[in-house]
Amino acid sequence: QVQLQQSGPGLVKPSQTLSLTCAISGDSVSSNSDTWNWIRQSPSRGLEWLGRTYYRSKWYNEYAVSVKSRITINPDTSKNQFSLQLISVTPEDTAVYYCAREIYYFDHWGQGTLVTVSS
Amino acid sequence: DIVMTQSPDSLAVSLGERATINCKSSQSVLDSSSNKNFLAWYQQKPGQPPKVLIYWASTRESGVPDRFSGSGSGTDFTLTISSLQAEDVAVYYCQQYYSTPYTFGQGTKLEIK
Repeated sequence: QVQLQQSGPGLVKPSQTLSLTCAISGDSVSSNSDTWNWIRQSPSRGLEWLGRTYYRSKWYNEYAVSVKSRITINPDTSKNQFSLQLISVTPEDTAVYYCAREIYYFDHWGQGTLVTVSS
Repeated sequence: DIVMTQSPDSLAVSLGERATINCKSSQSVLDSSSNKNFLAWYQQKPGQPPKVLIYWASTRESGVPDRFSGSGSGTDFTLTISSLQAEDVAVYYCQQYYSTPYTFGQGTKLEIK
């Protein structure tokens, strides 16, 4: 059965980089049919899709315009995981961050990580 | 971007009664080649991630009780809980996966009357 386990710090200072990892079990980050996403949730923005990575004979990334200049999602095939990096964070990036598997819709989610941006 | 708008924002229903939540998309999420609506419904309880209930607008996820049903096509969709149980208290979201950026409705908070 598929499980997604998130890790990473819950507190980041303004202007620094938010980094989270999502470890996959029961599936492969290199799957030719699945897609691996990051989504965040805050009271002000609701559920917001941030981006995804997927493998279809080669690697692809796709990002939301709202964060495109600041975000990187990378697969790590050696550890069967994928990561989120968001640079130059501000308090507006405070949210619960989720990783999720997409098989068209999001059928498996990580447990969520509350990331607070504060000095 | 496709904007998803749910109604109502909150809903109080008596145990055993029917609950209905609506979702409207700013453009059609019906794919003409597959004749499938790229629309999912999720349930979220406090401290938990969203859980998919319905996908392709009307297909129930494995393990989801049959009191949950989805209907609609194109731009207008409905999630119905036929007989509300105490464990159904949650926030419900619709989501389109027709095109990126994937977008969610603002959520409907369902409570017991």
